[in-house]
Amino acid sequence: AQKVTQAQTEISVVEKEDVTLDCVYETRDTTYYLFWYKQPPSGELVFLIRRNSFDEQNEISGRYSWNFQKSTSSFNFTITASQVVDSAVYFCALSEAFTGGGNKLTFGTGTQLKVEL
Amino acid sequence: NAGVTQTPKFRVLKTGQSMTLLCAQDMNHEYMYWYRQDPGMGLRLIHYSVGEGTTAKGEVPDGYNVSRLKKQNFLLGLESAAPSQTSVYFCASKPGVRNQPQHFGDGTRLSIL
Repeated sequence: AQKVTQAQTEISVVEKEDVTLDCVYETRDTTYYLFWYKQPPSGELVFLIRRNSFDEQNEISGRYSWNFQKSTSSFNFTITASQVVDSAVYFCALSEAFTGGGNKLTFGTGTQLKVEL
Repeated sequence: NAGVTQTPKFRVLKTGQSMTLLCAQDMNHEYMYWYRQDPGMGLRLIHYSVGEGTTAKGEVPDGYNVSRLKKQNFLLGLESAAPSQTSVYFCASKPGVRNQPQHFGDGTRLSIL
């Protein structure tokens, strides 16, 4: 069975600090996909990034960066120079690659990030 | 630019009542999903569909039924609502290509008294 662990329930930082959200996953599949979603206070789920299991390149998008390490089964998310608008719940999720299984997502329990002035 | 639309956005039911949540997507996606979100538990998959006329159980299917009579719609039914089904329900859809992300609706907040 697949499992995603986000051990950090809540993180509070002061604006402009860097913050890293941890994600550790378990799967028996050799091919899989990892995702990060953001849920702002308004409640909708916003897709941030997808990573394939066979691509271990790190990715940077503006203030956001992701570190994928297959050896430690981790897919961590770093926000540089955090802003109040980054305050949200962030979910890491794991998807099977087998299309016939519906590409179901297994979510972590989420990390609540609070960025204060 | 609707994407995934959930109806209704809020609902209060009494124990034992029935209701149907509607999810509609206009992106011609093959796959559709229903999740529930409870505090501290993330999102858990209730049922999903990989195509019109097909449905399958997810992680927490008990007490729910679904139907996908049309490709663009995915209905979630509660036959006899229970307080344990108080939750926020999210619908999602995605193309039938394995590495594409799921697109989510804005959620339905359902309270069972």
